[in-house]
Amino acid sequence: SQQGEEDPQALSIQEGENATMNCSYKTSINNLQWYRQNSGRGLVHLILIRSNEREKHSGRLRVTLDTSKKSSSLLITASRAADTASYFCATGPYGGATNKLIFGTGTLLAVQP
Amino acid sequence: DAGVTQSPTHLIKTRGQQVTLRCSPKSGHDTVSWYQQALGQGPQFIFQYYEEEERQRGNFPDRFSGHQFPNYSSELNVNALLLGDSALYLCASSSVGAIQETQYFGPGTRLLVL
Repeated sequence: SQQGEEDPQALSIQEGENATMNCSYKTSINNLQWYRQNSGRGLVHLILIRSNEREKHSGRLRVTLDTSKKSSSLLITASRAADTASYFCATGPYGGATNKLIFGTGTLLAVQP
Repeated sequence: DAGVTQSPTHLIKTRGQQVTLRCSPKSGHDTVSWYQQALGQGPQFIFQYYEEEERQRGNFPDRFSGHQFPNYSSELNVNALLLGDSALYLCASSSVGAIQETQYFGPGTRLLVL
């Protein structure tokens, strides 16, 4: 079963605008990661935020984590047509024997040129 | 440095058949995980292999089995295929104990069961 849900399920914006995606999860975590997937192909790792971190930046990406609300957000600034993809959050469960990931349902982002 | 590779890229089978998918991890990685991604869904964890043994398993029936070889590559086997097994199968590699590190995913094998 999925760990949680992402919101919105789909998002359409114009190039240059910012895109914000939200992720909620259910159980305690070690970390939360965001991945991008183009046209149903492999997943590309974007950013990892640890459970004791609240915010992290990487290039045009900004991720926040609120463990009290069990939620995270991914902000993509100054979006480009090449950012069109599905975005998934994935959690590494706390106390797990392995680093298995539990994925959300994904947000489909379309950036119009 | 080659990333995670998977073969084949696409596969068509009929119900009741058996299938074997293959994965080679990223150089320096010793742990391989398999995920199933149905259309429109997020990936779901099938199992993880380290030192040629299954370390953890998700909620998948025994029809799904795996193997890891001494060179860390891995196979996913699915027996008695069902229509519902149609999905993208993703392999991910990492280093053992890397709880706080990312996993690297391959391009996937798209399986269609008719």
